[in-house]
Amino acid sequence: KAGVTQTPRYLIKTRGQQVTLSCSPISGHRSVSWYQQTPGQGLQFLFEYFSETQRNKGNFPGRFSGRQFSNSRSEMNVSTLELGDSALYLCASSLGGGGRVLYEQFFGPGTRLTVL
Amino acid sequence: AQKITQTQPGMFVQEKEAVTLDCTYDTSDPSYGLFWYKQPSSGEMIFLIYQGSYDQQNATEGRYSLNFQKARKSANLVISASQLGDSAMYFCAMSPTGNQFYFGTGTSLTVIP
Repeated sequence: KAGVTQTPRYLIKTRGQQVTLSCSPISGHRSVSWYQQTPGQGLQFLFEYFSETQRNKGNFPGRFSGRQFSNSRSEMNVSTLELGDSALYLCASSLGGGGRVLYEQFFGPGTRLTVL
Repeated sequence: AQKITQTQPGMFVQEKEAVTLDCTYDTSDPSYGLFWYKQPSSGEMIFLIYQGSYDQQNATEGRYSLNFQKARKSANLVISASQLGDSAMYFCAMSPTGNQFYFGTGTSLTVIP
């Protein structure tokens, strides 16, 4: 089974631009989560999608948005980029259980975004 | 509110020795899962082990075991027979619902030959 894939792997943008990151989950996984990882803040949860619906959202400004398609692939968009948006953006997929049935998340390799 | 605490920013262990990485959590949810991930310098997060809050026995996966003490809200990772390839960042995570994960700040483990 192929793992979680993320494209692009590296990205350099300038302040004020926008960027779209893509994530393809493991086949059969319906839940996709996005995280921002920085040395100072660690891993911070952005949002989670399940069956094309955003189920959870972290504490990020509205410049960060996402969506999920019917094939479970997900995109994350950041508009009006700021220097502080430079980070490793990780996507994770899971079967998306709940209640007493929990499934681990499998992570992609990440997209390293540098904002100049 | 959910909170994960990893108090050891860095740890060193001799090759072939065992090491324990600490993790404590805080949640008011009666049902939750605890997870450990490894992040090598390459950046990818690798799932290691899972413990459900209702599981009676501690989880084990090969050289990894989870020392789960529910009353103390701790979920320490034990790595036995450390190998050089174990050098990495280790993250403890908790999920009450399965669709939102809370991560600790991580512990950097260095295995010394």
